[in-house]
Amino acid sequence: EPEVTQTPSHQVTQMGQEVILRCVPISNHLYFYWYRQILGQKVEFLVSFYNNEISEKSEIFDDQFSVERPDGSNFTLKIRSTKLEDSAMYFCASTPEGGRGYGYTFGSGTRLTVV
Amino acid sequence: DAKTTQPPSMDCAEGRAANLPCNHSTISGNEYVYWYRQIHSQGPQYIIHGLKNNETNEMASLIITEDRKSSTLILPHATLRDTAVYYCIVRAAGGSYIPTFGRGTSLIVHP
Repeated sequence: EPEVTQTPSHQVTQMGQEVILRCVPISNHLYFYWYRQILGQKVEFLVSFYNNEISEKSEIFDDQFSVERPDGSNFTLKIRSTKLEDSAMYFCASTPEGGRGYGYTFGSGTRLTVV
Repeated sequence: DAKTTQPPSMDCAEGRAANLPCNHSTISGNEYVYWYRQIHSQGPQYIIHGLKNNETNEMASLIITEDRKSSTLILPHATLRDTAVYYCIVRAAGGSYIPTFGRGTSLIVHP
């Protein structure tokens, strides 16, 4: 069964450093998403991406965050200057079409720890 | 957002059916009901979705009441691996189809 692949599975970074989280969505999917989950809290939507541009973003997704699809397969989330409160699981998801008729396929996540 | 209400926790014996309820009394006529689950520390997993009719797939069945104000996810023969948090989600108001996750129901399947 096709999977969404995320790397790395764990990342530890120092406060103020830049991090890039990588995702390979399912190959025929067109819509891509990043979510995060702080330990013990809800899964929170960050951003959606379609046709090489952001289609929606939440209030969490401020100027410190950016997304990119640098080639035909990767989808990345960059945090420019990490803060302690950015420590969380980050999940990438994709779906073939952005409407209501499809479920999202999520990756297994990257655990980001900011120290 | 169209809101859903789920019990915070449930438990079920292995091999028995697990019936997880969800109230969504403010759902609009064109909004779907989706179910996802999250096994500890893993990414959410899509289970099933429906609009009006009952649906069944290899994972579960979804029963939606005629007035669409509530639904039930049924795992017909629960296994220990079905222990997870189950999320009932309806389409967010305002045109976004992006799932918004609440607290869900923590289902524990015991031997």
